[in-house]
Amino acid sequence: NAGVTQTPKFQVLKTGQSMTLQCAQDMNHEYMSWYRQDPGMGLRLIHYSVGAGITDQGEVPNGYNVSRSTTEDFPLRLLSAAPSQTSVYFCASSLGWGGLYEQYFGPGTRLTVT
Amino acid sequence: EDKVVQSPLSLVVHEGDTVTLNCSYEVTNFRSLLWYKQEKKAPTFLFMLTSSGIEKKSGRLSSILDKKELFSILNITATQTGDSAIYLCAVEARSQGNLIFGKGTKLSVKP
Repeated sequence: NAGVTQTPKFQVLKTGQSMTLQCAQDMNHEYMSWYRQDPGMGLRLIHYSVGAGITDQGEVPNGYNVSRSTTEDFPLRLLSAAPSQTSVYFCASSLGWGGLYEQYFGPGTRLTVT
Repeated sequence: EDKVVQSPLSLVVHEGDTVTLNCSYEVTNFRSLLWYKQEKKAPTFLFMLTSSGIEKKSGRLSSILDKKELFSILNITATQTGDSAIYLCAVEARSQGNLIFGKGTKLSVKP
């Protein structure tokens, strides 16, 4: 198993540009989520999904969209990039939800918005 | 508002020392508390705690949860330079499995 994969690893955007961060898992996990990590802030939940076709907002959803058309993929879209979105983004997945399942994290995407 | 607070935010020790990292929380509908270790990459899972008073151990690391006082500790004995990392505490607060992370404790172990 490849586990959780994310692409790209690094990205530089100009303010106002849009892009999609890709996340895929091959473990048949139902639960997937996106976090951003900023210095001194810990990990903050952006959006999550409890299964294909179902998504919900986390703590900091503004400026981001997600969709979950398949169990494997959970892309994160930045609609109009802003410097405040400069961060490291982690995708995670787990077999189920309810806090009783280990989450597996992808390697992260480092995004810089100028 | 749900929150998870870790202390200290940073810690410098020497090899062989024992350290205790703290995590306190205020959340509704608590389900579990998780500890992660993060080096220069994605967080890796250490422990999941759901019941008070039951110590989880893995080698030199151990952790325990107190659901009455709403905190957990992570102990590392005989620290090594390879233990240098950020240790993250997370609490699952709602039935959908949302995790709320603390800011982390940055541990530096000097030779």
